[in-house]
Amino acid sequence: GQQVMQIPQYQHVQEGEDFTTYCNSSTTLSNIQWYKQRPGGHPVFLIQLVKSGEVKKQKRLTFQFGEAKKNSSLHITATQTTDVGTYFCAGRLGYNFNKFYFGSGTKLNVKP
Amino acid sequence: GAGVSQTPSNKVTEKGKYVELRCDPISGHTALYWYRQSLGQGPEFLIYFQGTGAADDSGLPNDRFFAVRPEGSVSTLKIQRTERGDSAVYLCASSFRTSTDTQYFGPGTRLTVL
Repeated sequence: GQQVMQIPQYQHVQEGEDFTTYCNSSTTLSNIQWYKQRPGGHPVFLIQLVKSGEVKKQKRLTFQFGEAKKNSSLHITATQTTDVGTYFCAGRLGYNFNKFYFGSGTKLNVKP
Repeated sequence: GAGVSQTPSNKVTEKGKYVELRCDPISGHTALYWYRQSLGQGPEFLIYFQGTGAADDSGLPNDRFFAVRPEGSVSTLKIQRTERGDSAVYLCASSFRTSTDTQYFGPGTRLTVL
């Protein structure tokens, strides 16, 4: 079964609105990575979270790792048209050192 | 090289044929991954190399799929007796040493099995 669930599947926002995507796992994750994939492109690494309750910021992007290390979120403040793309989380399960399980992604569309 | 490269960018083949997909990782990266991405889905792990050895091949769907990395740099994913369900984008990624390092993805090979 799918190890890492991601919601929502799609999100349409007006430029300037905020956006959040959520990632959930039934199993504790050792770490989680976030990627962005532009239409027709390949995944590009954004950030990695390792510690319980960790929060990291990159300009308008805020990444959180839950206290139980079973969930994570990506929040974009004041979206811009350049934010368009699909955002994926990828979690590594503690018992499997090498493999990352990707969520199905949230496709973000930003209307100017 | 400057980034991960993959060849060919597109491959169209007929059901039952054999295909090879090539990945050239970033120079000096010892870790290499193969993923498969179907439309509207996230990348699905296939295999992980650490140097020349396949450290984890648990994602290979069946014995028609095989991958090698004989000199610890370039890797080839080999698919025998292709099926229509094998159609997908095959992504390669490399990282400096381990799976906790940043994964740099290549542009992918779009495989279409007719």
